[in-house]
Amino acid sequence: DSGVTQTPKHLITATGQRVTLRCSPRSGDLSVYWYQQSLDQGLQFLIQYYNGEERAKGNILERFSAQQFPDLHSELNLSSLELGDSALYFCASSQHASVSGIRTDTQYFGPGTRLTVL
Amino acid sequence: GESVGLHLPTLSVQEGDNSIINCAYSNSASDYFIWYKQESGKGPQFIIDIRSNMDKRQGQRVTVLLNKTVKHLSLQIAATQPGDSAVYFCAEKESARQLTFGSGTQLTVLP
Repeated sequence: DSGVTQTPKHLITATGQRVTLRCSPRSGDLSVYWYQQSLDQGLQFLIQYYNGEERAKGNILERFSAQQFPDLHSELNLSSLELGDSALYFCASSQHASVSGIRTDTQYFGPGTRLTVL
Repeated sequence: GESVGLHLPTLSVQEGDNSIINCAYSNSASDYFIWYKQESGKGPQFIIDIRSNMDKRQGQRVTVLLNKTVKHLSLQIAATQPGDSAVYFCAEKESARQLTFGSGTQLTVLP
């Protein structure tokens, strides 16, 4: 158990719908990362938040958005869903604190949310 | 662009033998490398990491070797067990940039 929790575990929805995935990082971790894993593309970085602020963006579609709340949990919102959005979505957390210069790069992953768009 | 790749997509080993999973990277400025294990239906699990100022790092039954000259990373698993069957990903990052993951190697442990 990595200490990172994600809900729901499974999500089945229809095209055009909107869903919200939730992630709680490990205790003490300030950074949250979201990844998408599909069969043909491996793990793709979507976005990172650090202590409530967006830190880095990867291959995240405009239909997707995320936020990190004061209690450090994060949500990934996926809207106008398409069949191709079906994938595993993982959240990871780390202690990374680039502002202080301390680098603790190890990312610990949650169990993921399997999204199926029908 | 920069990429991280794996030499072999699949690897089958006999139970009790040692396993070696290889990974090539192309970014010579990468300074942090990490191996993850992913079992079916689960999230990637941290195995071991290494920084570029080291050549070797050992954990419990695992060893990571880093050869910066040829930009090669390997994961050695000693006395491979059935529970080691999984997909193994290497990942690298340069400074404050994001982790870049390889495509993964499927390790199958044969009885």
